[in-house]
Amino acid sequence: SAVISQKPSRDICQRGTSLTIQCQVDSQVTMMFWYRQQPGQSLTLIATANQGSEATYESGFVIDKFPISRPNLTFSTLTVSNMSPEDSSIYLCSVVLGGGGIREQYFGPGTRLTVT
Amino acid sequence: SQQGEEDPQALSIQEGENATMNCSYKTSINNLQWYRQNSGRGLVHLILIRSNEREKHSGRLRVTLDTSKKSSSLLITASRAADTASYFCATDRSGGYQKVTFGIGTKLQVIP
Repeated sequence: SAVISQKPSRDICQRGTSLTIQCQVDSQVTMMFWYRQQPGQSLTLIATANQGSEATYESGFVIDKFPISRPNLTFSTLTVSNMSPEDSSIYLCSVVLGGGGIREQYFGPGTRLTVT
Repeated sequence: SQQGEEDPQALSIQEGENATMNCSYKTSINNLQWYRQNSGRGLVHLILIRSNEREKHSGRLRVTLDTSKKSSSLLITASRAADTASYFCATDRSGGYQKVTFGIGTKLQVIP
């Protein structure tokens, strides 16, 4: 398994500002993922972040709004830019471990963001 | 649309009873994973079942997979109040690693 930490665990931000969320993993991983979970909803993948390359964004998510950094194999950041109340969600980073057809996905504890 | 869909969406049982949650999906998969999420917190990985497996156990958890029906079930035996949480299934599609897709979850309440 993987131990994943996120900072901050929660924040309350004003609209128009930006927040950078950090994700740290206790082992080197190739693939890291950022998810959003809006209130009462399931998880939606924002982007896949591989070290040494640009993040790959899912439909409906763009780099200008959610810039991602992946400076090494154990760390990533997600920035939520120019926030609005609709960005209020839990943001989770995730990693995949394993290979050969068995890939287990693990999640960080999440960052609960409230935008006022 | 969601790849996995859990039912029921909400389930309330008495402590000590068994809880069964179901998950259906649409496409061929490599693996199916079940997660637990306690009120607004991170997801805890419970169990992974491979597409060539039919049943798997872990403690009080029993997961079954029926690839012909594209469905899975999670059984929690002798439930406890601490099992109160939302439970999600997630699938990754066959044909190389694809993004994992989550269902909408089953909200389980275990009444002491």
